[in-house]
Amino acid sequence: GENVEQHPSTLSVQEGDSAVIKCTYSDSASNYFPWYKQELGKGPQLIIDIRSNVGEKKDQRIAVTLNKTAKHFSLHITETQPEDSAVYFCAARGGSYIPTFGRGTSLIVHP
Amino acid sequence: NAGVTQTPKFQVLKTGQSMTLQCAQDMNHNSMYWYRQDPGMGLRLIYYSASEGTTDKGEVPNGYNVSRLNKREFSLRLESAAPSQTSVYFCASSAEGREQYFGPGTRLTVT
Repeated sequence: GENVEQHPSTLSVQEGDSAVIKCTYSDSASNYFPWYKQELGKGPQLIIDIRSNVGEKKDQRIAVTLNKTAKHFSLHITETQPEDSAVYFCAARGGSYIPTFGRGTSLIVHP
Repeated sequence: NAGVTQTPKFQVLKTGQSMTLQCAQDMNHNSMYWYRQDPGMGLRLIYYSASEGTTDKGEVPNGYNVSRLNKREFSLRLESAAPSQTSVYFCASSAEGREQYFGPGTRLTVT
């Protein structure tokens, strides 16, 4: 089955800095890669996703890149703000519609 | 739309007690899922239901049962709770091939 590795487990940045979270996957058949943000005490919420026919996607301060050859994808947050502090999960989904999640990255943005 | 709702929000059980976690969605999604979230372990799939009337085991099904009561509702039952089942439980739903929507979670403690 699919295996998703996510790094780092914790990321601490100053407000205004950029943050990058990286994930690798094992199944070359995976074709959909969502990113979820989980705020304290809440359920995960989709913030951006990318499909395998696209190399990069941007939405305001967040962007996701995908390298199918290397089987890795990354989340980039620019101009971080304290409200970006949360746990972020990457996931990969292939032929089955069940995504496999990474273990999460706790992002802390210091004012 | 309420999205995905879960009850209860919190529950404390003694070892050996049973309980049912309830989940409902109002987005007319075919697929529903139950996950558990433990520190450092990400989201692990317990059971899922591709459509009304079908259920399948996920990564960690032992000690749990599920019922897809109708298209809206998907319940998770613990027949004889164990301390290892102390966790936060999330229900999610999705349309075919689309992103998952998560509920707010149930925090369960088994003493």
